[in-house]
Amino acid sequence: AQSVTQLDSHVSVSEGTPVLLRCNYSSSYSPSLFWYVQHPNKGLQLLLKYTSAATLVKGINGFEAEFKKSETSFHLTKPSAHMSDAAEYFCVVSDRAGSARQLTFGSGTQLTVLP
Amino acid sequence: NAGVTQTPKFQVLKTGQSMTLQCAQDMNHNSMYWYRQDPGMGLRLIYYSASEGTTDKGEVPNGYNVSRLNKREFSLRLESAAPSQTSVYFCASSVSDTQYFGPGTRLTVL
Repeated sequence: AQSVTQLDSHVSVSEGTPVLLRCNYSSSYSPSLFWYVQHPNKGLQLLLKYTSAATLVKGINGFEAEFKKSETSFHLTKPSAHMSDAAEYFCVVSDRAGSARQLTFGSGTQLTVLP
Repeated sequence: NAGVTQTPKFQVLKTGQSMTLQCAQDMNHNSMYWYRQDPGMGLRLIYYSASEGTTDKGEVPNGYNVSRLNKREFSLRLESAAPSQTSVYFCASSVSDTQYFGPGTRLTVL
């Protein structure tokens, strides 16, 4: 069975400072890993995904994540936060179960960006 | 391309009423999904359809039914709504292992 743990439910940073959102996963197989972002009252938008190619994955809006198999981690980073980054972020693991890929979501990290 | 669309955006029901949430995608994806989102719990899978003509239960299927009407459309039905079904419902479709989400339906059951 697969699982995802987002280590912080809330993260607060000042505009222009680095962002780190932490995620650990558990999977029986070689998983695909994703980060999605959800702005208030909106749907989920794919930020980036890891699918066993390069361990450092670059996504949209300056975000990137590093897959570390030895630590079972997939932390999301951004060098400099922008006010528009304020949103909820979900770490997601994908595995094949039955006849389709199924996603398991973390509980989310709410990112606040202070002026 | 509109991507994944959902109707309605908002709905208020009384306990015991029924309703159907509609979802359509124009990306020619084989697989479609229904999730519910509750505070502090991420998204949980209700039902999914790997291809036209097939449906399977997810993590939280009780109280729901689904219909994969054709390749584009996947509906979610609440036969007798309960307050515990107050939630935000998301539909998604996928190609390979990447899922694309609709904007959601906010449902309140009184």
